[in-house]
Amino acid sequence: KAGVTQTPRYLIKTRGQQVTLSCSPISGHRSVSWYQQTPGQGLQFLFEYFSETQRNKGNFPGRFSGRQFSNSRSEMNVSTLELGDSALYLCASSLGQGNNEQFFGPGTRLTVL
Amino acid sequence: DQQVKQNSPSLSVQEGRISILNCDYTNSMFDYFLWYKKYPAEGPTFLISISSIKDKNEDGRFTVFLNKSAKHLSLHIVPSQPGDSAVYFCAASSFKAGNNRKLIWGLGTSLAVNP
Repeated sequence: KAGVTQTPRYLIKTRGQQVTLSCSPISGHRSVSWYQQTPGQGLQFLFEYFSETQRNKGNFPGRFSGRQFSNSRSEMNVSTLELGDSALYLCASSLGQGNNEQFFGPGTRLTVL
Repeated sequence: DQQVKQNSPSLSVQEGRISILNCDYTNSMFDYFLWYKKYPAEGPTFLISISSIKDKNEDGRFTVFLNKSAKHLSLHIVPSQPGDSAVYFCAASSFKAGNNRKLIWGLGTSLAVNP
């Protein structure tokens, strides 16, 4: 069974731009969660999608948004990029909503210049 | 406010010896705890978990101990191997939150196992 895939793996943007990251969950998994990882803050929960609906949300500004498609693939969008958005963005999939055992993708390394 | 704390950013252990990674939590609603391991350039991988109804869970070389009264858990790796060198994350959640439950993560401990 293929694991969680994320594209692109690396991205360089400039301040003010927007970015879209993509995540394909493990086949059969219906929940996708997104995390931001920075050296000083660890893994910070962004949001969780289940059955194309956002079910849970962390404490991030509205510039961070996402969506999920009928095939459970998910995208995350960050608008008006700031330098502090530079981070590793991780996507995790699980079977059900709020399922604690999550399977992570390799992440997208975003650098904002 | 860090609800899950891993107070040791790094740990160095000799191959064959025991590695003990510690994690403290502040939220008494947490009732499920997980450990993940992360290698560079990869996402975290699930290692072992424990429910609050237990005080110990063992899987091969990995054992997690939970002390609810102290709000403390630890991961023991015996014997440690060089391939165990990675960042270890502790995470916690509450089943009482139902479908709104989410994982709260510690900042991680970087383990180096020296040959």
